[in-house]
Amino acid sequence: DAKTTQPTSMDCAEGRAANLPCNHSTISGNEYVYWYRQIHSQGPQYIIHGLKNNETNEMASLIITEDRKSSTLILPHATLRDTAVYYCIVRVKDDKIIFGKGTRLHILP
Amino acid sequence: GAGVSQSPSNKVTEKGKDVELRCDPISGHTALYWYRQSLGQGLEFLIYFQGNSAPDKSGLPSDRFSAERTGGSVSTLTIQRTQQEDSAVYLCASSFEPGFLNQPQHFGDGTRLSIL
Repeated sequence: DAKTTQPTSMDCAEGRAANLPCNHSTISGNEYVYWYRQIHSQGPQYIIHGLKNNETNEMASLIITEDRKSSTLILPHATLRDTAVYYCIVRVKDDKIIFGKGTRLHILP
Repeated sequence: GAGVSQSPSNKVTEKGKDVELRCDPISGHTALYWYRQSLGQGLEFLIYFQGNSAPDKSGLPSDRFSAERTGGSVSTLTIQRTQQEDSAVYLCASSFEPGFLNQPQHFGDGTRLSIL
């Protein structure tokens, strides 16, 4: 039970910002939001995580709504190498990861 | 820096044979996880090691599956008497001690196991 809902697929033009939404309406107070991506034939790659504040790192930004029921991963300047399946996960700090279906992001040249 | 290393990257074997898959976690990571991913599917948790604690084996699908972690570092996943349904990508992940700044798990690229 992934506890998150994501669109099946999205397209984004190269160079534009890719905004990937995730609904997690049943999130509990001690659960974090994590984002991973998986490029074909590679292992999942950690992107970013947060609890309630917005977060930014060298890869992406994570915007979490005030009620924490949804979040958006932002890739500020998408490149063709960002084509991957993106997974939004909610978990307590030491829990095993359960991936849902994720969003297949296509970056269009 | 070195990431999680898994070997072999690909393994093809006949049904009924035993296989051993190896995982070298990131140096300093005390937590180690094994997952498997069937074609087009999500991750299936198998087993979790944390320091010297007893491993969480709740995800192992049958008694043909076992895993060890020697010296708190390298781990080996063993599948005995392999079956065709064991065909999958076996992924290893490691992290600092869970609860320490909520460190994420970092994954290797997996071992693609094919049972003929």
